[in-house]
Amino acid sequence: GAVVSQHPSWVICKSGTSVKIECRSLDFQATTMFWYRQFPKQSLMLMATSNEGSKATYEQGVEKDKFLINHASLTLSTLTVTSAHPEDSSFYICSALAESDEQYFGPGTRLTVT
Amino acid sequence: AQSVAQPEDQVNVAEGNPLTVKCTYSVSGNPYLFWYVQYPNRGLQFLLKYITGDNLVKGSYGFEAEFNKSQTSFHLKKPSALVSDSALYFCAVRPYGQNFVFGPGTRLSVLP
Repeated sequence: GAVVSQHPSWVICKSGTSVKIECRSLDFQATTMFWYRQFPKQSLMLMATSNEGSKATYEQGVEKDKFLINHASLTLSTLTVTSAHPEDSSFYICSALAESDEQYFGPGTRLTVT
Repeated sequence: AQSVAQPEDQVNVAEGNPLTVKCTYSVSGNPYLFWYVQYPNRGLQFLLKYITGDNLVKGSYGFEAEFNKSQTSFHLKKPSALVSDSALYFCAVRPYGQNFVFGPGTRLSVLP
């Protein structure tokens, strides 16, 4: 089946620094990828839809200047958390949309901001 | 508004007993229905989905789910629970061409 990877799997950074998370579709092309955020013991919250070659579409309440999304190729989308603060600590999960209209989820990235 | 409800935050079941994790939904049209499982610090693992056809869907690891259109439910079931089934389970719906709507999740604990 289709595989989606995320890198890094976990990261610890200091408050005020920026962190980049990569999402890759390993064996298929994805014009659309999605970024979710999950707080402890809660469900996934869609943050934004990443479209190859165009600007991302952000959900209401998500700061586009804080969560920068770049979908530079058909197999890679990146989420950069800028000027991270402790409240940005969370589990970030991406998914990629295949041509079959199936969505495949990555393993997630645990971000801890100290 | 589209929504998915999982009425139980926690389900406890003894190993070897049957388990049921409930899900009801409120969406327009005929959405695709999914169940995912999540282990600690891991992403979502696909269990099964319903698109059309037989109301009983069989999935991975011995799980199955029954679609009930009149009750707008899609309960997850397994005849005999294993301790290793203990995890967080998410029901999700996805109208064709649209994004997922996830339920809040149900934590399943299978006691030895």
